[in-house]
Amino acid sequence: GENVEQHPSTLSVQEGDSAVIKCTYSDSASNYFPWYKQELGKRPQLIIDIRSNVGEKKDQRIAVTLNKTAKHFSLHITETQPEDSAVYFCAASRIGGSYIPTFGRGTSLIVHP
Amino acid sequence: GAVVSQHPSWVICKSGTSVKIECRSLDFQATTMFWYRQFPKQSLMLMATSNEGSKATYEQGVEKDKFLINHASLTLSTLTVTSAHPEDSSFYICSAGVGGSGSEETQYFGPGTRLLVL
Repeated sequence: GENVEQHPSTLSVQEGDSAVIKCTYSDSASNYFPWYKQELGKRPQLIIDIRSNVGEKKDQRIAVTLNKTAKHFSLHITETQPEDSAVYFCAASRIGGSYIPTFGRGTSLIVHP
Repeated sequence: GAVVSQHPSWVICKSGTSVKIECRSLDFQATTMFWYRQFPKQSLMLMATSNEGSKATYEQGVEKDKFLINHASLTLSTLTVTSAHPEDSSFYICSAGVGGSGSEETQYFGPGTRLLVL
């Protein structure tokens, strides 16, 4: 089955700095990679996703890059703000048909004002 | 965007009782829903895949007689924790997939149910 590794487990940055979270996956058949943000006590919310036919996707301060050859993908947050503080999860799954997404262990991002 | 509701949001119960948690897709139909369990500061642990009109598929190590799942319609799945014990205390979250034009499925999560068994 699929195995997703996520690093780092904790990331502490100053407001305005950039933050990068990295994930690797094992199943070359995975072709859909969403990122979720979970604030304390709340549900995970989809913030950005990328499909395997795209190498990079950007949405304002958030971007995701994908390297299919190396089987890794990363979340980049620029100009971080205190409200970006949360736990971020990456996931890998397969588009179409029956699929079960596999989640990374999560990264706790702390943005200090 | 797609909305998934979950009820109740909080449950406190005595050991030995059964607790039912409902997961609903409010503005879309979900053939498949997922049930997760999350411990504090940990990742989402998939418990089972709920399939409308058929039996749920449980992950290894999850007792199907302990965690009963019923996917009665395309908008409702229920998880019943039978004879709950303190070790069952956790945050339970459901999710449902939404198919897109490219056949991709994005998961939308319910708000979660926090269960405390005394």
